[in-house]
Amino acid sequence: ETVLTQSPGTLSLSPGERATLSCRASQSVSSRASQSGSLAWYQQKPGQAPRLLIYGASSRATGIPDRFSGSGSGTDFTLTISRLEPEDFAVYYCQQYGSSPPTFGQGTKLEIK
Amino acid sequence: QVQLVQSGAEVRNPGASVKVSCKASGYTFTGYYMHWLRQAAGQGLEWMGRINPNSGAPNYAQNFQGRVTMTRDTSINTAYMELSRLTSGDTAVYYCAREWDYGAVDYWGQGTLVTVSS
Repeated sequence: ETVLTQSPGTLSLSPGERATLSCRASQSVSSRASQSGSLAWYQQKPGQAPRLLIYGASSRATGIPDRFSGSGSGTDFTLTISRLEPEDFAVYYCQQYGSSPPTFGQGTKLEIK
Repeated sequence: QVQLVQSGAEVRNPGASVKVSCKASGYTFTGYYMHWLRQAAGQGLEWMGRINPNSGAPNYAQNFQGRVTMTRDTSINTAYMELSRLTSGDTAVYYCAREWDYGAVDYWGQGTLVTVSS
């Protein structure tokens, strides 16, 4: 199965700063079904279900603010939050769905500095 | 609006089974695969499998083969996940989630806490 490694494990930043989160796959993440990279990003706050932010490596899900952007291809992917808002401090997971089984990274905790 | 509403928290003894339900509304139930995932306390997300609500055909993660059964009832727009031979390692929050883009998931249930303890 495809192993996803997220870095850093914890990221300490202040509101207004730019956040860059990384997700590296053990093999190329792609599928014939999805024309773009089969990589998604989720945000999870304590006591809540995850929320889909990005799918297809770079497409924002419905209702997601444009300060969230995804990029990358092959095995290296990035989630960028251009200007952190107080509500953005949470845990972020990447997921690949280009090969079965779908797998998740271990998460990056974004905390207030 | 799309909603997935799961059944309530469960407590089971080791060796028992649990069945969690997920009632969908706000969209065409048979038009989207339904996934099941779980998350132990303080841990990451683990994919358990998915079901095609139209055909009823499931796909299970290898880790759960032989222990998990996913079914659906299209008359009431509800998906089910049953896990048998429970151990303490199965204590977790279980989520249903609707598939998007051939394998991501866009809408999630609120989660069902399953506690396995003697």
